[in-house]
Amino acid sequence: DVQLVESGGGLVQPGGSLRLSCAASGFIFSDYWMSWVRQAPGKGLEWVANIKRGGGDKFYVDSVRGRFTISRDSAKNSLYLQMNNLRVEDTALYYCAREDDSVDYWGQGTLVTVSS
Amino acid sequence: QPVVTQSSSASASLGSSVKLTCTLSSAHSHYIIAWHQQQPGKAPRYLMKVEGSGRFNKGSGIPDRFSGSSSGADRYLSISNLQSEDEAQYYCETWDITTHVFGGGTKLTVL
Repeated sequence: DVQLVESGGGLVQPGGSLRLSCAASGFIFSDYWMSWVRQAPGKGLEWVANIKRGGGDKFYVDSVRGRFTISRDSAKNSLYLQMNNLRVEDTALYYCAREDDSVDYWGQGTLVTVSS
Repeated sequence: QPVVTQSSSASASLGSSVKLTCTLSSAHSHYIIAWHQQQPGKAPRYLMKVEGSGRFNKGSGIPDRFSGSSSGADRYLSISNLQSEDEAQYYCETWDITTHVFGGGTKLTVL
């Protein structure tokens, strides 16, 4: 079975940094694009970033470009999101997601709270 | 970039049927969309992709009660024989080479 398990969330002050991780299993990780999708409290889903199979191409939503960096390690079957210069509006549940054109599998999410 | 629009809410009675709509922006009316279900307090779950032709392709384990269809820029999710566990938020998603876009979601209430 496909499993995506996120970790690394927590409470951070505005301007701080955090690194999220996603451990993938149950499929050939290197065969798939991967995404991060977030959901602010009580709000809808917002796509954040994705990364190509080999890691060469990366794309971001405008609001995080230049502050967040997506990466992957196929040897560890892991996806990462380095988040710098965090803002209050980045507070959300962050989901790791597998893509097969659309998202087709979701993790359970890790909560990031940005507050002073 | 593409835009998808959903009604904010819908309701239907237990055992009845409902059809939810996702509308693509006019320049992207031929795009494929995906439907996702999010039950209260849970992570989203992928339901299916729906093409402009009306063809749909469901995810693993999705009941036969769920189906998709299409008309012009509209993509539909139909649920028959509504169950209490179908009460959830339903999101549509579309994508191109550089982005993914989610609709605002439709909250389905089962009466």
